[in-house]
Amino acid sequence: QQPVQSPQAVILREGEDAVINCSSSKALYSVHWYRQKHGEAPVFLMILLKGGEQKGHDKISASFNEKKQQSSLYLTASQLSYSGTYFCGTENFGNEKLTFGTGTRLTIIP
Amino acid sequence: AAGVIQSPRHLIKEKRETATLKCYPIPRHDTVYWYQQGPGQDPQFLISFYEKMQSDKGSIPDRFSAQQFSDYHSELNMSSLELGDSALYFCASRDRTSGSSYNEQFFGPGTRLTVL
Repeated sequence: QQPVQSPQAVILREGEDAVINCSSSKALYSVHWYRQKHGEAPVFLMILLKGGEQKGHDKISASFNEKKQQSSLYLTASQLSYSGTYFCGTENFGNEKLTFGTGTRLTIIP
Repeated sequence: AAGVIQSPRHLIKEKRETATLKCYPIPRHDTVYWYQQGPGQDPQFLISFYEKMQSDKGSIPDRFSAQQFSDYHSELNMSSLELGDSALYFCASRDRTSGSSYNEQFFGPGTRLTVL
């Protein structure tokens, strides 16, 4: 079953914050977050393992609630370069294929 | 740092023709994954290889086959191409033997296949 992301799309002004959610109906081993620009490869942002950890670098962070099988990606003080489609990719066991979520299209306007 | 290499980057074929896509993983990476991404869609897993053996299979049509060679590069062979095969095909590689409990998948730039 494909993870569901919300919102499907969001438009922000530069400097605003955003939260993207990823929910799975299956138990998760890890959640990977990627950003993809049109026609390009997905770019890795971060991995979160089961255990409810939270990670972050620069103005992008994420949390993983293993019990709820949910992960959230937090973008603060958004920059124009943050525009793109964000995908969560989930693994039910380690070193597995990724099952990608439905995607969230983020548009940052000046 | 070395990245995943895919060739060709663009490919145009006619219906019913065959195509071969190549993937060269990051050196010392032992696992390769193939994904297909249609227009406006999320990447869909096709097939993966670990240490030259098929490790998992997803929604890969019977017309497609793949293998991983002794130098760890992988090839995706597609026959009897259909219009619906037009998509971006990504290869990703991963190091499963470094001892870390989790490792990211590094994606190549993709091959854009257009079937006319």
